[in-house]
Order: sequence, then structure tokens, then C-alpha cells
Amino acid sequence: DQQVKQNSPSLSVQEGRISILNCDYTNSMFDYFLWYKKYPAEGPTFLISISSIKDKNEDGRFTVFLNKSAKHLSLHIVPSQPGDSAVYFCAARSTSGTYKYIFGTGTRLKVLA
Amino acid sequence: ETGVTQTPRHLVMGMTNKKSLKCEQHLGHNAMYWYKQSAKKPLELMFVYNFKEQTENNSVPSRFSPECPNSSHLFLHLHTLQPEDSALYLCASSQGAQPQHFGDGTRLSIL
Repeated sequence: DQQVKQNSPSLSVQEGRISILNCDYTNSMFDYFLWYKKYPAEGPTFLISISSIKDKNEDGRFTVFLNKSAKHLSLHIVPSQPGDSAVYFCAARSTSGTYKYIFGTGTRLKVLA
Repeated sequence: ETGVTQTPRHLVMGMTNKKSLKCEQHLGHNAMYWYKQSAKKPLELMFVYNFKEQTENNSVPSRFSPECPNSSHLFLHLHTLQPEDSALYLCASSQGAQPQHFGDGTRLSIL
């Protein structure tokens, strides 16, 4: 059973508008959540994270929101730029001794110029 | 960022071949990971090493054999693979609770 779900495989947004990528999780033991960005032929690169004790974390154009009661997090990119076109992976980490990350299937974002 | 280097970038092998994937990290991290990424599936954790000791084996078939001679190097030895093993294999490293850094992966194709 998938513990981290990204139900939208793709998303297209006009340049300058807001991109909202969503992620749902099922395991209440997750205490740390991350977003990674992946360009073709490259490995994922860390983008932004949030601890379960917070409900929002902002870094420039990127903001991650966490709703623990709904077990839902989202990544907002505003304004969206063509260079943001990539696959975005949501990941969650459990509180077990080894830092083990569970990833979603990814959402392909296309920002249209 | 070239902190985690994987070689080769592409590999085509027959089912009876033996080959190895190599990962090297220059970040001074103490943990290293192997992941498998198949089409339309999430990244699947295969193995975790902490300070050269294997701490996680996620029910990976024995035809995949990892080796971690030191904290900077990680290998994945491959033997008698199946066509369904064709995928992108990603190596990552991390330090403590910090986010993982990934290599660019090895695209493996099994004939």
C-alpha cells in the first residue's frame, strides 16, 4: 500500500501564475516532509522541507503547507517560471531509528511561456 | 551539483552477465542509499548503509548485492538480472537528519 500519494501525474500552468502540487500520506508516524525536483537525465534535487511541528515553510518562490489532520501537504510555486518545468516528488520520513524516506510517484509540472 | 557521482550513466546487459554500479560521494556524509525508479512507480528504497554498515534491506532479491567498503563509496553488484529489473538506479547520501543528495542515476536495460 502506497504511504505517500501524488494523485496528479501532471500539471500545466501559465508562466507567472501559481503552481500547486499536492501530496497525501497515510502514516501518522511521519515527522518530516520534503519536496524534490527532478529534471530529465538528472537525479532529484532537494527543494524545500517542513517539520511536522510546523504548518508552513517558505523559501523564496516556494512554500510548503502541511495539514496534519488531513495528512496532506502542498507545494506552492509563485510566480511559476518555465525553468520550474520538472517532475516534483513528495517524500516523507518516519520517526524510526534509520532515516528512511518514502517517496510519491511524482507530478510532472509544465510551465507554459 | 556533483556531490554524488554514479557510474556508468547507462548500462545494457544480458540476463547472464555480471556487472557493478558504482556510487561515490564527496560530501562527507555518513549514510548512503540505493533506490530503484521504475516507470510510473515511486522511488523504491533498496538498501541503506550507515557508517559502512547495512541498516536496511528492503526485501531486495539476492541477484542485487550491495557493497560499502567505506563511507564514501557504494557499489551494487548485479548478477542474472531479469527484464523487470530494467530501471533507473539512484544512489543518495545524507548526513544525520539532513535531506538526501542524489546522484544522476544509472539507466539499466536488461536484454
